[in-house]
Amino acid sequence: QSVLTQPPSVSGAPGQRVTITCTGSSSNIGAGYDVHWYQQLPGTAPKLLIYGNSNRPSGVPDRFSGSKSGTSASLAITGLQAEDEGDYYCQSYDSSLSGWVFGGGAKLTVL
Amino acid sequence: QVQLQESGPGLVKPSETLSLTCTVSGGSISSYYWSWIRQPPGKGLEWIGYIYYSGSTNYNPSLKSRVTISVDTSKNQFSLRLSSVTAADTAVYYCARHVGSSGWLPHYYMDVWGKGTTGTVSS
Repeated sequence: QSVLTQPPSVSGAPGQRVTITCTGSSSNIGAGYDVHWYQQLPGTAPKLLIYGNSNRPSGVPDRFSGSKSGTSASLAITGLQAEDEGDYYCQSYDSSLSGWVFGGGAKLTVL
Repeated sequence: QVQLQESGPGLVKPSETLSLTCTVSGGSISSYYWSWIRQPPGKGLEWIGYIYYSGSTNYNPSLKSRVTISVDTSKNQFSLRLSSVTAADTAVYYCARHVGSSGWLPHYYMDVWGKGTTGTVSS
């Protein structure tokens, strides 16, 4: 079981907005550690999507946005496109484990 | 543009040691933190451990007794050794680079990933 909890699956129609949550605890997200998000398209390696809670690397469309509050973080995707289908992982640091931790991943399906 | 390439034997027997190498090209291994991450078939990502170019390391407590990560700056490579493997260690193994703007390691994120290499444990 992952230290960070994500819904196993989310879905939406093209053009719609979806949100993926990442719930942690007082030893990780709640302790103030940054949350980062990665996109893993089928058959490929993870790719950095959001860093430092809400920052987009160069080349990532502004359809992707991140936020953090308390012990949780969220990734929002607007204007869903078929090519967004894949797995999305949140990542943070955990002081109890003294290391980085990932969420279990959320599979996004574009209907 | 920095690129990472994992390499190593794809098949290892149970109880033996899995050895993988990550080669850094297009940039220097110096001044960065580097991690190994794995993904069992159909499952999520698991951080294995990191190494700083100077050689300091930190490992996932769940794997600490079996993991060794080392660095060879002259070859721009870092390596993973996982001992006493079982079928549960079968996974795609990724290497990645850590960066961060705050200077505080816990806030660092993985901005460059290798394409991954499959490590299968089977007799």
